[in-house]
Amino acid sequence: SAVISQKPSRDICQRGTSLTIQCQVDSQVTMMFWYRQQPGQSLTLIATANQGSEATYESGFVIDKFPISRPNLTFSTLTVSNMSPEDSSIYLCSGTGNTEAFFGQGTRLTVV
Amino acid sequence: TQLLEQSPQFLSIQEGENLTVYCNSSSVFSSLQWYRQEPGEGPVLLVTVVTGGEVKKLKRLTFQFGDARKDSSLHITAAQPGDTGLYLCASRLTDSWGKLQFGAGTQVVVTP
Repeated sequence: SAVISQKPSRDICQRGTSLTIQCQVDSQVTMMFWYRQQPGQSLTLIATANQGSEATYESGFVIDKFPISRPNLTFSTLTVSNMSPEDSSIYLCSGTGNTEAFFGQGTRLTVV
Repeated sequence: TQLLEQSPQFLSIQEGENLTVYCNSSSVFSSLQWYRQEPGEGPVLLVTVVTGGEVKKLKRLTFQFGDARKDSSLHITAAQPGDTGLYLCASRLTDSWGKLQFGAGTQVVVTP
């Protein structure tokens, strides 16, 4: 199994600013993903973080708003840009192995 | 995109009672996973079911996969407060290895 460390665990940010969330995996994983989740609700996939190339975004999410980096197989970042209160949510990174997905503990973001 | 319908949305029960959570789709699942998420944490994999009619047990949790692989259930016997959490079913999307689609989630609260 893999252990994923995600930071920060929570933050309160001013609207118009940007926040970068970091995700570190303790072993190499093939795929890494970023999800968004409202408390108590399901996960919505933002994008697939591709190692060494541009991320693949799901419908409704764009690179200018959520730039993603993945410089190697064990690290990825998600930036939430030009934040508004609607971006308040929990952001989770995930890495997949052969049979299961592993998740970071999430970043609870509040935009004021 | 395969739609996963999960029910009920919310369950509040007393310690010692039993509960069942359902996950259904109009399409056939290649496999199905159940995750549990506790507050402030990412989802953790409980089980993967692959074969139609499969039954898996994890202590007091029993997972069933329908014969036609279109539905699954999670049954908890003699629930304990430690079973409190958000239960999510998920299936792998066929167009991208490792990418998961989640059901809406069932929030389970077990009170002493």
